Amino acid sequence: KNQVEQSPQSLIILEGKNCTLQCNYTVSPFSNLRWYKQDTGRGPVSLTIMTFSENTKSNGRYTATLDADTKQSSLHITASQLSDSASYICVVMTTDSWGKLQFGAGTQVVVTP
Amino acid sequence: GAGVSQSPRYKVAKRGQDVALRCDPISGHVSLFWYQQALGQGPEFLTYFQNEAQLDKSGLPSDRFFAERPEGSVSTLKIQRTQQEDSAVYLCASSLVGGMGINEQFFGPGTRLTVL
Repeated sequence: KNQVEQSPQSLIILEGKNCTLQCNYTVSPFSNLRWYKQDTGRGPVSLTIMTFSENTKSNGRYTATLDADTKQSSLHITASQLSDSASYICVVMTTDSWGKLQFGAGTQVVVTP
Repeated sequence: GAGVSQSPRYKVAKRGQDVALRCDPISGHVSLFWYQQALGQGPEFLTYFQNEAQLDKSGLPSDRFFAERPEGSVSTLKIQRTQQEDSAVYLCASSLVGGMGINEQFFGPGTRLTVL
């Protein structure tokens, strides 16, 4: 069973609108949580990395939040653009072993004109 | 190079054939990772190298999968006697230092393998 669950599975939004993606995880012991953007046919690109003590981190129009107590994270996209159409993947790293990444299945976002 | 490169970008193999997938990490990066990504899913870990040492191969799905990084730079993922369930995108990533902490992993574009 995947220990990183994302919702919704997919969503369609109008250009210029905002949206929020959700991530719940059960992975432990927690080290950090990452959000990646993956364009079709490309490798994932990091948007944000947050450690236990960080509640929010922004990267341009992307803002990620983390609640380590409830093991929830969100990614908010502001004023969406057509280029935001991609899969957004939530990833959690643990502190044990060498830091293996646990990936969610991703949320497929389609921005329409 | 400017980023992680992988070759070939696309590979079609007949069931039973052997394939070799190449990854050129960012120059100087110590850590190298291989992932398998099925359609519509997130990447799944396959194996991890620190320099030439393969420190974790727990994600390799069977003994038909073999990875090496003999000189601590370029890596090759080899799949013997390919099966249809091996069809996926194989991603390679590298990071400057060891795998733990907030070290960034930079991904290549992937190799899409289709087994007929």
